[in-house]
This record gives sequence, structure tokens and C-alpha cells, in this order.
Amino acid sequence: GEDVEQSLFLSVREGDSSVINCTYTDSSSTYLYWYKQEPGAGLQLLTYIFSNMDMKQDQRLTVLLNKKDKHLSLRIADTQTGDSAIYFCAEISGGYQKVTFGIGTKLQVIP
Amino acid sequence: EAGVAQSPRYKIIEKRQSVAFWCNPISGHATLYWYQQILGQGPKLLIQFQNNGVVDDSQLPKDRFSAERLKGVDSTLKIQPAKLEDSAVYLCASSHGLAADTQYFGPGTRLTVL
Repeated sequence: GEDVEQSLFLSVREGDSSVINCTYTDSSSTYLYWYKQEPGAGLQLLTYIFSNMDMKQDQRLTVLLNKKDKHLSLRIADTQTGDSAIYFCAEISGGYQKVTFGIGTKLQVIP
Repeated sequence: EAGVAQSPRYKIIEKRQSVAFWCNPISGHATLYWYQQILGQGPKLLIQFQNNGVVDDSQLPKDRFSAERLKGVDSTLKIQPAKLEDSAVYLCASSHGLAADTQYFGPGTRLTVL
């Protein structure tokens, strides 16, 4: 079955790097996503990685995938106060490409 | 490009009442999703449409929830009768093809059941 786990809370100082971690259980996952949700807003896709990749970099964002350990991480360089939000990890798996979200990690950036 | 539209944005009802939500996906997107996001949790997929056909509704409580996408464009989600535990944000998303494509989310409808 599918299960996506994340830590609930992360606090960092402005300018530092943030690392948000996620573990998943379905080894047949084809894509893994990171979404950002600001208060009162819908989900915004930040980045995604194919399951046959180890790393993807997009400006301040770096995604690392360890398929053996089923571990995904999102690193945000030079974290800003505008990065404060809830970050969701999501996996796609199964014949119908079902999307399963984690519980979300709340990132608090301290000025 | 216009985004995914949802209405209403907020709804307050009493338990045992009925409620309906509306979603208009991005033009040309074949796949439409309804998610339920309970406070403090991640979104849970309720139903996925490909054009006007249902692809996955395994997590839809069919005794009280129903959804349709008659012309393969906009969609409605209905709850009848509502329970207290249905209080949540209902998110609609659309994608060009199947879920491997990027999903674009609407702002959601916040439902409070008293």
C-alpha cells in the first residue's frame, strides 16, 4: 500500500538552508512531487523528480531521491520569510497513477 | 491562462443538510480531481475523472458523496447528508493527461459542518 511520511515542523533562520524530508513506501512510484501551500491558498507545485533520477536542481531548490531507502528531500537554499508555508511531499504510483500526499511539513522562517 | 476555478469559497451548513461544490478546470485539461483536506492533514483523493469517466473513486464515501462531470468539463461534488467529520477544505485540481502530468489546484472550498 501507499504511505507518505513527513516530519510536522521545521524552523530555520532567514538566510540558512532548509531541508525537508519525506519517506514513502510504494517502490513502484514513478514521480515524486513537492507542493507548497500558503495559508488560505491552494497547493502550488514547486518541483518534481522522476523515479530514475537521483537529484534535480531548480534555482534555490534541490531535490534528492534515494530510491533504495525510499527517501526524498527538498533543500531550500538561502531561505526567505516568503518560504514560510506547509510543504507536501506526494508520490504517484499504480496503474491509474494515483497521487498520495504526505501530512505536510510546516516551515517557519525566523527573520 | 486562467486557473482552476472553484465556488463557493466558504460554506457553513448544519449536519444532515446537503451541499454542492463546483469546479471549472483549466481549459483543455482532460483529467479532473477532487481532494478532501482535513485540517492538519494532506489532501486525500476522493475521485478522479478522465474526461467524463471515473478513473478512481475508491476513497469516495459513496453513501453520502457523489460527483459528476457530465460534459467532460466542469464538475460538481455533492454531500448528502453532511456529517460533522466532513468539515474540511475540498480541493479541485486538473491536469492535461493522467496524474503524471502536473496537477493545477484551485483555491478550495472550506466547508464547516455544525
